[in-house]
Amino acid sequence: NAGVTQTPKFQVLKTGQSMTLQCAQDMNHEYMSWYRQDPGMGLRLIHYSVGAGITDQGEVPNGYNVSRSTTEDFPLRLLSAAPSQTSVYFCASSYGTLAGGTGETQYFGPGTRLLVL
Amino acid sequence: KNEVEQSPQNLTAQEGEFITINCSYSVGISALHWLQQHPGGGIVSLFMLSSGKKKHGRLIATINIQEKHSSLHITASHPRDSAVYICAVSPSNYQLIWGAGTKLIIKP
Repeated sequence: NAGVTQTPKFQVLKTGQSMTLQCAQDMNHEYMSWYRQDPGMGLRLIHYSVGAGITDQGEVPNGYNVSRSTTEDFPLRLLSAAPSQTSVYFCASSYGTLAGGTGETQYFGPGTRLLVL
Repeated sequence: KNEVEQSPQNLTAQEGEFITINCSYSVGISALHWLQQHPGGGIVSLFMLSSGKKKHGRLIATINIQEKHSSLHITASHPRDSAVYICAVSPSNYQLIWGAGTKLIIKP
């Protein structure tokens, strides 16, 4: 299994440009999420999905769109990039919920470093 | 005040020392997670706890639900344990609230 893959690894954008960060997993996980990590702060949830066709907003959704047309893929779209979106973006997936029960482990992609000028 | 507080923020120790990282939270949770972020940036889940104690190799995680506190211990620490250790709590099924992390450096 490749696990969780993210592309690109690095990206530089100009203010106002749009782009899509790709995330894919081959573990048949229902739950997928996008986080951003800024220096000195914990990860913050942008959007998440509990299955194909179902998405919901996290803590910091403004300026980002997601869709989940398949179980495997969960792309994150920046509509009009702003310098405040300079960050490291992580995609993660898990088979079930994060709230106990089976002791579900969350798997993370390697991250995408985004610089918006 | 952050809902998840970790201490210390930075910890430097000598190889072989017993390490303790603490996590306190102020919200009701269903589970608490400990994760490790490598110097290269990759994030790995270490534990998910809803009660008691879990052990994996030299890592031990404990949680006290009544006191809203968890600890991560590393026995016989090694330079390869150098990383950022992150505590995160699940107030609901699908969301995590993350601490800012503890940066651990183990010197040979």
